[in-house]
Amino acid sequence: DIVMTQSPDSLAVSLGERATINCKSGQSLLKNSNNKNHLAWFQQKPGQPPKLLIYWASTRDSGVPDRFSGSGSGTDFTLSISSLQAEDVAVYYCQQYYDVPRTFGQGTKVEIK
Amino acid sequence: QVQLVESGGGVVQPGRSLRLSCAASGFTFTDYAMHWVRQAPGKGLQWVAVVSNDDTRKYYAPSVWGRFTISRDNSKNTLYLQMNSLTDEDTAVYYCVKEKEHGSYHDYWGQGTLVTVSS
Repeated sequence: DIVMTQSPDSLAVSLGERATINCKSGQSLLKNSNNKNHLAWFQQKPGQPPKLLIYWASTRDSGVPDRFSGSGSGTDFTLSISSLQAEDVAVYYCQQYYDVPRTFGQGTKVEIK
Repeated sequence: QVQLVESGGGVVQPGRSLRLSCAASGFTFTDYAMHWVRQAPGKGLQWVAVVSNDDTRKYYAPSVWGRFTISRDNSKNTLYLQMNSLTDEDTAVYYCVKEKEHGSYHDYWGQGTLVTVSS
């Protein structure tokens, strides 16, 4: 199984400041067949299902504000929120879809400082 | 618009069985693989199983292999999860999740159905 490790487990950021979440995979998520990193980021607010933010490591899903960005390749990835808004308080998960079983990071809780 | 509506959750005793359903609409169900993902209370997300669009290929998380069976009825646009020999570790919200295209990311999630295993 591909182990996904996020850091930190939680972080508190002031409104308007930058939030950065890291995700490290136990093996490369870059597939030769399509030259893409098979990594997604999800946002989950209390009582709601997860919402897709980023796929192929850096492509924002439709309707996702451009303050969210994904970067990285191979085994190291980052989700950044450039200017934290109150509505961004949530738990964020990375997930690999390179292979089954698909695995998630443990989650990072983002709060307002 | 895509809708995934889970049902069948509830309270069940350890060792018993339960079948979850997921009614899909708003897309061509037969074109897409479907997954189940679960989340124990206060915990993170755990992928459970996937079934191919034609119900021929199925893969499971090690923790449920041999106890859970994923299936689909394409004539009814419905996904199923048959859960046997349930333990308290199976207590979770179970989400039905659509795959964007073969081998790619999850693009739509249902609201989930809660399964509680308790005596």
